[in-house]
Amino acid sequence: DVKVTQSSRYLVKRTGEKVFLECVQDMDHENMFWYRQDPGLGLRLIYFSYDVKMKEKGDIPEGYSVSREKKERFSLILESASTNQTSMYLCASSTNDRGQYFGAGTRLSVL
Amino acid sequence: DQQVKQNSPSLSVQEGRISILNCDYTNSMFDYFLWYKKYPAEGPTFLISISSIKDKNEDGRFTVFLNKSAKHLSLHIVPSQPGDSAVYFCAAREAGSYQLTFGKGTKLSVIP
Repeated sequence: DVKVTQSSRYLVKRTGEKVFLECVQDMDHENMFWYRQDPGLGLRLIYFSYDVKMKEKGDIPEGYSVSREKKERFSLILESASTNQTSMYLCASSTNDRGQYFGAGTRLSVL
Repeated sequence: DQQVKQNSPSLSVQEGRISILNCDYTNSMFDYFLWYKKYPAEGPTFLISISSIKDKNEDGRFTVFLNKSAKHLSLHIVPSQPGDSAVYFCAAREAGSYQLTFGKGTKLSVIP
């Protein structure tokens, strides 16, 4: 079974803090994704990566950056957290073939 | 501009009856469609998919139907069980791409 692991299930941060969300997959997938999920808005793509050190902006990249130094790890960075970044963050990975496999999610609250 | 639309935010069904979740899309380049199921505080899990060369795919209690001319797909769950209560997301992928475009989801409640 594919396993996508997000480092934290719940995080509480202060406005202005730098926040790192980590994601690791164990299936040697080429592609990794970061989404946020908000009520009534579904899943919105923040950034994705199709190879080590490669990244592409998704639909809502503002206020976020990413890092992929190793194939199995994809990090989402909030440079200066703001209250409107309070959300559920979901990491996913896939091969170039079919669907995506998701982690359990990180519920981030920015106070 | 929403390319994948789930027009029903919620649906309630009696246990044992059929649940039908609908999804419409506008992008004719989509060639692969998926349904995901999501419980609260968990990540979405893959449920069933269908390629555009087919019009039906079945897996146990779950069947997905694709009507390409109408740009419409539906997920049928028969019989519905209380454990099926979750948010269901429809997703689509363009040919040659690995990005998925998601709908906003439909919350299914199966009443015992």
